[in-house]
Order: sequence, then structure tokens, then C-alpha cells
Amino acid sequence: EVQLVQSGAEVKKPGESLKISCKGSGYSFTSYWIGWVRQMPGKGLEWMGIIYPGDSDTRYSPSFQGQVTISADKSISTAYLQWSSLKASDTAMYYCARHEVLDYYYYMDVWGKGTTVTVSS
Amino acid sequence: SSELTQDPAVSVALGQTVRITCQGDSLRSYYASWYQQKPGQAPVLVIYGKNNRPSGIPDRFSGSSSGNTASLTITGAQAEDEADYYCNSRDSSGNHLGVFGGGTKLTVL
Repeated sequence: EVQLVQSGAEVKKPGESLKISCKGSGYSFTSYWIGWVRQMPGKGLEWMGIIYPGDSDTRYSPSFQGQVTISADKSISTAYLQWSSLKASDTAMYYCARHEVLDYYYYMDVWGKGTTVTVSS
Repeated sequence: SSELTQDPAVSVALGQTVRITCQGDSLRSYYASWYQQKPGQAPVLVIYGKNNRPSGIPDRFSGSSSGNTASLTITGAQAEDEADYYCNSRDSSGNHLGVFGGGTKLTVL
């Protein structure tokens, strides 16, 4: 079964760092882009960025460039999303999703269950 | 442009047909994909490409596209279809960047 398993909920203080994870299984992890999607409380989905674990090629939405870092360790089939200094506005649910990127096709066919990040003093 | 626009809310009577639309310049070049999200759950892909349904998605869901507008149609809406629906596409930059529409809340009456 193809699946993405995300790390558990986090509660942090402003200014702290954080790294959350997304482990893929049931498919060739290095052959698909993996991306991250933010959903703030009561709001819509926001596309953050993607990484190709095969060569670590990483792309960011302009809205998130410089705010987060996306990485991957292909040896353990795991992608990461990290912050160096959290803000209260980072409070959200974060989903990882496997991307299919083809000429005219672009879609996310497998999703993790999400990681809740709460940033509060 | 990297924006996709959706109507915030749509309603449909049980068993009737409803169309949810998504507009954006990037849709002239790339197909939209559609996601259903129910409260407290992760999004689920329902339509991708020209009009493709992943395994397990009922055939009452279909997709179409014309110009800068993509549409998700539910033919014979069921109570369990009540959810938020989001469109997504690749933006026009050519850098594999994605963009979501603002989402449409579907109410089945």
C-alpha cells in the first residue's frame, strides 16, 4: 500500500525551531516529487513547495521562500519541513503529498494525514 | 498569473447535478486537479488530468475544461459529497510550482 506517514503533533514557543517529517512507503520514493501544503485554522489549502528526493531539487512558492526549508533523506524515504524560528502565525495543519508532475498533468495523489503545529507562548 | 479563483460556496439538492468552477490563466496550459476535504480529514484527490478518477472515486464525479476555466461536476449529488472542494494546478512559471484555488464549500440540501 502506498502511504505517507507524518510525524506527530507539535506544540512550540515562538522563536523555537522545528522539523516535521513525512515517510513514504509502498513506492519508489526517489521517483516522485513530495510537497508540503499548509492549512491554517478554518482556512483553505496553501501550496508551499516540493522536493524531488532523487536529486534533492527543491522548489518553493514565493510566499514561503525563505520562511521554511524542505529537505529529504532518500536513504530512509523521508521528507522534512523545517523552521528555524517559529512564529505564532505558523500555527496550522501541515500535509505532505506525493506529486505527479507531467507535461500537462500536475496532481497530488497520495496525502499524509497531517501534522498539527501549534506555536504559542 | 498564479491565482486560481473559486466560488466560496455552492449548494445542490440531493440527487441533483452541481458544477464547481475554477478560473485561472494557468488553466489555459495545464489541467486542474480537484480535491475533496471533509472536516478533520486530509484532502482526497477526486479528479486529475483531462477527466481521470483515481481508484475508488465514484463515477458521479467528472471534470472538464474550457479556456481558463476548469469544472468539477457531481452528477446525482449524495449527502456524503458535502465537503470543501479545492482545485489545483501548476502555475505558469514552468518551475513545477503549484497553486490552489480558495476552495468551494458544497452543501447538499
